Amino acid sequence: DAGITQSPRHKVTETGTPVTLRCHQTENHRYMYWYRQDPGHGLRLIHYSYGVKDTDKGEVSDGYSVSRSKTEDFLLTLESATSSQTSVYFCAIYSTGDTIYFGEGSWLTVV
Amino acid sequence: RKEVEQDPGPFNVPEGATVAFNCTYSNSASQSFFWYRQDCRKEPKLLMSVYSSGNEDGRFTAQLNRASQYISLLIRDSKLSDSATYLCVVTPQAGTALIFGKGTTLSVSS
Repeated sequence: DAGITQSPRHKVTETGTPVTLRCHQTENHRYMYWYRQDPGHGLRLIHYSYGVKDTDKGEVSDGYSVSRSKTEDFLLTLESATSSQTSVYFCAIYSTGDTIYFGEGSWLTVV
Repeated sequence: RKEVEQDPGPFNVPEGATVAFNCTYSNSASQSFFWYRQDCRKEPKLLMSVYSSGNEDGRFTAQLNRASQYISLLIRDSKLSDSATYLCVVTPQAGTALIFGKGTTLSVSS
C-alpha cells in the first residue's frame, strides 16, 4: 500500500462544468503524476509535479490544470469538462527503486 | 515510431501453457524498465523490474536487450489468475514520468 487516495472515485458531471480530482498521499513523496487511461490509447501523462508549486505538462495537458500547494495533495482540474474528457484518471507517486505506484483511479463521465 | 510498443493481443492460452510478451522502446537512453499488471477496472500494479542480466520471480522471467531496445516477459505454467493486461513501462531518466505501452491482454482458460 503506497498510501495514495483519490477522490472522488466516481463522478458524473455535465459538459461545461469545472471538475476537480484530488490525489492525497501520506508518505511525503516528492514526485506525483496524473494519468488518464482510455481504450486504444493506454496510459497518458496529463501533468506531473516535482515538488510543492512545481508542476509541468505531460503529453495530454490541454483542458487540464493542476496545483500542488502542499506535498501531500495534487489536484487535477478540468476547467470546463467536455465529453472527450470522459475517462479514468490515475494518480501516481514516484517511489524508491525508480518505480511508481498508482491510486485506485477516478472514473469520470461527462454528459 | 511510438515510444513503447507492444503486441496488444489478446493472447488466449490454456492453463499450464508458457506465454511470452515482447516490447520495444525507441529511446536508447532509457534507464529503467518494468512490467506492470493491470486487472479489469483496477489500477496498474508493479509486477517486476527488468534488468540487463535478466531476472526471475517464480514463474515470471523478464529480459532486457539494450542493443535491440527490446524487453520480454515470460510466464511459465500459466494460471487462471494470470489473466490480465500486462504493461511494458520505460523510464527515460530517473525521476521523470514513466512511459507506458498500451498493454498486452492475456486470457488463461481451463
